[in-house]
Amino acid sequence: EPEVTQTPSHQVTQMGQEVILRCVPISNHLYFYWYRQILGQKVEFLVSFYNNEISEKSEIFDDQFSVERPDGSNFTLKIRSTKLEDSAMYFCASKQGFPTEYEQFFGPGTRLTVL
Amino acid sequence: KQEVTQIPAALSVPEGENLVLNCSFTDSAIYNLQWFRQDPGKGLTSLLLIQSSQREQTSGRLNASLDKSSGRSTLYIAASQPGDSATYLCAVMDRGSTLGRLYFGRGTQLTVWP
Repeated sequence: EPEVTQTPSHQVTQMGQEVILRCVPISNHLYFYWYRQILGQKVEFLVSFYNNEISEKSEIFDDQFSVERPDGSNFTLKIRSTKLEDSAMYFCASKQGFPTEYEQFFGPGTRLTVL
Repeated sequence: KQEVTQIPAALSVPEGENLVLNCSFTDSAIYNLQWFRQDPGKGLTSLLLIQSSQREQTSGRLNASLDKSSGRSTLYIAASQPGDSATYLCAVMDRGSTLGRLYFGRGTQLTVWP
C-alpha cells in the first residue's frame, strides 16, 4: 500500500543551524502539508502546498520556514535558523484530490531536537 | 478559531469492552472530520473520514458518528483488543480552510489490557 515517507527519522542540530526535512508524498497525490507536534501537545498545522505554491500557512510558519517541491516527488521543509522551541515531531501529509473529499495520509514523522 | 476537544484524555479498559471516545469542536461549519490513531513515537494512521453531510462511517470494529450541528463526533470501538492500545486523535477541516488544514484535539490515550 502506498505511503508517505519521511527522512531522517531523527535529526539533532545546534541552535541557529539550518535543517531540511524531507518527505516523499504518495505518488498521485496533489496536495501537501506539514504539521508539527511538540511533545505532549496537539498536532499543529504549519503549511499547505498545491500546484507549486503555498496555499495557506499558520502563524507558526514565519520567515524562518520555507517549503519546496524541487523535483516532482520530494517535498521539503526548511528551517533556516533553528531555535530551541522548534524541537518537535514534524509530520508531512498528502491528499489525493479535492481537499474536502479526501482523507489526509501522514508520514511517520521526523523528530527534530535543537540543542 | 476552531477548537477541538477530546474526552476522556485517557481510558484504561479490559479486553472485550465496547468503548466510546468523544470529540467536540467549536465551529460547526466544517467540511469533514477525520479520526486518526497514533502509536507512541509514530505517525498518524487515518481510521475514518466523515463528510459533513454524513451521519456515520464504519470500518470493521470502528464506527464514527457526526452531529455537525451540535459540534460532536463519537468513535465507537467494539470488542476492544490489546492491539487497539494507542492515542486516538480527532481532526476537523473547517470551512475557513481553502486546502484542507486540519485542527486536532489532544487525543484520547487508550490502554486495553488482557
